[in-house]
Amino acid sequence: GEDVEQSLFLSVREGDSSVINCTYTDSSSTYLYWYKQEPGAGLQLLTYIFSNMDMKQDQRLTVLLNKKDKHLSLRIADTQTGDSAIYFCAESYTGGGNNLTFGTGTQLKVEL
Amino acid sequence: EAQVTQNPRYLITVTGKKLTVTCSQNMNHEYMSWYRQDPGLGLRQIYYSMNVEVTDKGDVPEGYKVSRKEKRNFPLILESPSPNQTSLYFCASSWDSLYNSPLHFGNGTRLTVT
Repeated sequence: GEDVEQSLFLSVREGDSSVINCTYTDSSSTYLYWYKQEPGAGLQLLTYIFSNMDMKQDQRLTVLLNKKDKHLSLRIADTQTGDSAIYFCAESYTGGGNNLTFGTGTQLKVEL
Repeated sequence: EAQVTQNPRYLITVTGKKLTVTCSQNMNHEYMSWYRQDPGLGLRQIYYSMNVEVTDKGDVPEGYKVSRKEKRNFPLILESPSPNQTSLYFCASSWDSLYNSPLHFGNGTRLTVT
């Protein structure tokens, strides 16, 4: 079945860039997503990218997609303490519509 | 305010005692889904519903039931809870089941089964 993997933890200093990585196995993925989960809250959609795109930029967020290597990354520029959260990548699989396969989540800690 | 509301936020129960976690959305969304979140496993889909009276199994449906009698409500039912169902549960909804229809999540229900 589909598998989405992420590293569990990332620690950065305030003001630095954060790069969160994700690998997936389903080559027929159509959309790939990044969600943010703050403590005690549900997941919030940050951004998504269509599988025929290589890059998408949205303010401080840059998503890079390497479809050949099945690798997705989220870069957060000028990381702030408010960016501390768990970040999930997710893919929509063939015929699945909105049925997403989520990664394990990466806990981002921003230190002063 | 557009939102997905789950109740209760926290629930502690004993093995075998039937329980229901409610989920309601006020956005007239067609698609609704239940996930469980466990450390190191991310979110796994339990059941989903494309529309009223239409429900399907997700990746981990065993031990759970759902119903979709009305568009706004999608309760999750545990007929005989067991300790391995201790988890953080999320309900989510979206306008429809198209790929770029964003999922809106509730704030979660933390269930402990002793």
